[in-house]
Amino acid sequence: NAGVMQNPRHLVRRRGQEARLRCSPMKGHSHVYWYRQLPEEGLKFMVYLQKENIIDESGMPKERFSAEFPKEGPSILRIQQVVRGDSAAYFCASSKGITEGTPVEQYFGPGTRLTVT
Amino acid sequence: QKEVEQDPGPLSVPEGAIVSLNCTYSNSAFQYFMWYRQYSRKGPELLMYTYSSGNKEDGRFTAQVDKSSKYISLFIRDSQPSDSATYLCAMSGPQAGTALIFGKGTTLSVSS
Repeated sequence: NAGVMQNPRHLVRRRGQEARLRCSPMKGHSHVYWYRQLPEEGLKFMVYLQKENIIDESGMPKERFSAEFPKEGPSILRIQQVVRGDSAAYFCASSKGITEGTPVEQYFGPGTRLTVT
Repeated sequence: QKEVEQDPGPLSVPEGAIVSLNCTYSNSAFQYFMWYRQYSRKGPELLMYTYSSGNKEDGRFTAQVDKSSKYISLFIRDSQPSDSATYLCAMSGPQAGTALIFGKGTTLSVSS
């Protein structure tokens, strides 16, 4: 029973390039959350999505960051024109929807460690 | 004042000790309280959650919530070297399935 899957696990980008991070939720989960963990900082919420819908993007930077969760395929977090300050660990979590059970429990993937050079 | 405060430690204890980890928070709307364990360079692992005030026990772990004091605790009994990790508290509002607000985590080291 596979858990939350994220790829790539490590990603190196030069300043100005684009970074694409992928997340496949646990089987039976329809909600996806993205969090960022900066060095010496706690986990910070970025965005919450259901299939084809962004529910809450209050934690997303206003520029260069976008997220989607298409009807088919994984959720994607896209960072355009990366800067050194984007270097961090990006974690995806998934939960059940309200109709599937309690959505309280969020299960995390192993993370993608982004390094911007 | 930060929404969730957690002493970063590090906390070092001998094997078999009882460990107490704590968080305080400022937002009285929080209703769901979670504890996660994170090993170095891994994703957070959900240990347990409680709703509103009260206690919850799962094996060697006990979570307590005191909403009147805005204070939550995680107790680990008979600590083991494998418990060495960073422990994160997290909270969310009254509606289930919303963003989690995390503390910065407490690093625990259990020596054999």
